[in-house]
Amino acid sequence: GQQVMQIPQYQHVQEGEDFTTYCNSSTTLSNIQWYKQRPGGHPVFLIQLVKSGEVKKQKRLTFQFGEAKKNSSLHITATQTTDVGTYFCAWGGSYIPTFGRGTSLIVHP
Amino acid sequence: EAGVTQFPSHSVIEKGQTVTLRCDPISGHDNLYWYRRVMGKEIKFLLHFVKESKQDESGMPNNRFLAERTGGTYSTLKVQPAELEDSGVYFCASSFRMSGANVLTFGAGSRLTVL
Repeated sequence: GQQVMQIPQYQHVQEGEDFTTYCNSSTTLSNIQWYKQRPGGHPVFLIQLVKSGEVKKQKRLTFQFGEAKKNSSLHITATQTTDVGTYFCAWGGSYIPTFGRGTSLIVHP
Repeated sequence: EAGVTQFPSHSVIEKGQTVTLRCDPISGHDNLYWYRRVMGKEIKFLLHFVKESKQDESGMPNNRFLAERTGGTYSTLKVQPAELEDSGVYFCASSFRMSGANVLTFGAGSRLTVL
């Protein structure tokens, strides 16, 4: 079956440092979505990537979809304390989104 | 527009008791999903409704879990009898369409603690 790994599981950074989380699949993905869950909150949709090699930006967040559509990354430039939370990738988005384990970002002021 | 609402926000019950969780999706959203997140782990799919029909319930752990969506509006998820391993946060999500960008809007979740 399809195997998608999300790494790292946790990441501690000092405020102002960059952060990246990765999702790697053993098979080609039709699309990939990213969600953010704040502590005590619920997942909130950030973006969907569909095209091979696609890159999208939202302010300090950069999302990439690999050329082979087997991996994706979320990069945050100059983290702020408001970035704290767990970031999930999700695949199979046109049908039933399946979520990765998430990467918990802890930002130290 | 009102979002996805879930009730209760937190339920503490003893093993063997019954709990019913409710989800009101966004009006007009035919797709309704239940997911569960156990602390530190993935958001695990439980089941999917399209209107009042169960499309996929492959994620339901066992027959102690029963989900309904009568009339295609709100949904309930009943756990009977509850076991310790059922503890976690149960999220409901809804979406408008299945093809293309199937963007899920999540509710705030119902935290279930089984003692």
